Amino acid sequence: GQSLEQPSEVTAVEGAIVQINCTYQTSGFYGLSWYQQHDGGAPTFLSYNALDGLEETGRFSSFLSRSDSYGYLLLQELQMKDSASYFCAVRPLTGGGNKLTFGTGTQLKVEL
Amino acid sequence: ETGVTQSPTHLIKTRGQQVTLRCSSQSGHNTVSWYQQALGQGPQFIFQYYREEENGRGNFPPRFSGLQFPNYSSELNVNALELDDSALYLCASNPGGQGTDTQYFGPGTRLTVL
Repeated sequence: GQSLEQPSEVTAVEGAIVQINCTYQTSGFYGLSWYQQHDGGAPTFLSYNALDGLEETGRFSSFLSRSDSYGYLLLQELQMKDSASYFCAVRPLTGGGNKLTFGTGTQLKVEL
Repeated sequence: ETGVTQSPTHLIKTRGQQVTLRCSSQSGHNTVSWYQQALGQGPQFIFQYYREEENGRGNFPPRFSGLQFPNYSSELNVNALELDDSALYLCASNPGGQGTDTQYFGPGTRLTVL
């Protein structure tokens, strides 16, 4: 099975840098994805790590270490609009299709 | 905006009733997945359809069923509604039957079961 744990809540100030961690127990997966979800909205894809290391997409970066069963999402130059829930997710090697298993989610609050 | 639409936006039902939720995939996408998201939790995979066939299912009972139509739109049907079925139901599409981690989600249908 798959289990992905995240901190439930993180608070940071505008302009700062914040890291959202994701630790997992899984029997195998293709890669680690990150999704953003504003209140009442649809999850939107942010970033994906197929291999270990850092992926950078604008203000967002994501990191994966399979040997440590750990990944994180790094948000730089925080803006008020970044206040949302963030989910890590994996697509298991077994089961077929595009099934994503999501983490517990982290609510990010950006303050002035 | 992903181009994935869902209807209705909100729905209130009573326990024991049946409900049908609808999803229109993004143009060119032939695979659709359905997820249930309880308040404060991550989405949970219900099932997936590819070219009108179910090709993956999560840990949901048979009273959760679905359809995909030739135009790749989809329905989620839930029979014998229970209070715990209250959740946001999300559909997600992607362009091919091959596995992909990038899902394009619709805005969801908020179902409340009383």
